[in-house]
Amino acid sequence: GNSVTQMEGPVTLSEEAFLTINCTYTATGYPSLFWYVQYPGEGLQLLLKATKADDKGSNKGFEATYRKETTSFHLEKGSVQVSDSAVYFCALSLANAGGTSYGKLTFGQGTILTVHP
Amino acid sequence: DADVTQTPRNRITKTGKRIMLECSQTKGHDRMYWYRQDPGLGLRLIYYSFDVKDINKGEISDGYSVSRQAQAKFSLSLESAIPNQTALYFCATSAQVGGYTFGSGTRLTVV
Repeated sequence: GNSVTQMEGPVTLSEEAFLTINCTYTATGYPSLFWYVQYPGEGLQLLLKATKADDKGSNKGFEATYRKETTSFHLEKGSVQVSDSAVYFCALSLANAGGTSYGKLTFGQGTILTVHP
Repeated sequence: DADVTQTPRNRITKTGKRIMLECSQTKGHDRMYWYRQDPGLGLRLIYYSFDVKDINKGEISDGYSVSRQAQAKFSLSLESAIPNQTALYFCATSAQVGGYTFGSGTRLTVV
């Protein structure tokens, strides 16, 4: 079956440090890959996505590249801020060759990020 | 108004009680989902619906039921709540191509 594995957390960094959160996946067919962020007391928001191999998703200084050869979608940011403190989820969704999603999201277990001033 | 609205936001209920969580959306999406979030386990799919006449079980449907009352409304019921159903519940919608929109969640505590 399909699965997503994220690096163990929690992750604690100082402001302006470099961030990497590892994500690897197992899937058949044509997976699209996502990073979602959950700020304290809120729902999930889409941070970035990539729909095919070698695509790079980016948003708010975060980046992730869809690596089919290593089945990975690691999240990176060059300089984190206190406001980036949140829970980050890697997820995948399968689609057909035409890009129509099969609908269901499969999530990793989430990584708690805390950034100190 | 939020695109996906969940009610209630918080609920404490007793073991054995029936409870309904409601979700409504203004996105115009056909597809709706209920997920459950537990610490260290991420989100897991309970039920999903691709249109009003379509209901499908997810990976953890035991102990839950759903009703798709209209394109915009999708409710989740716990027929007889038990303590291990204490969790954060999210409703979400999606189009056939494109992203998902999540509600703000319902925090349910079963005592």
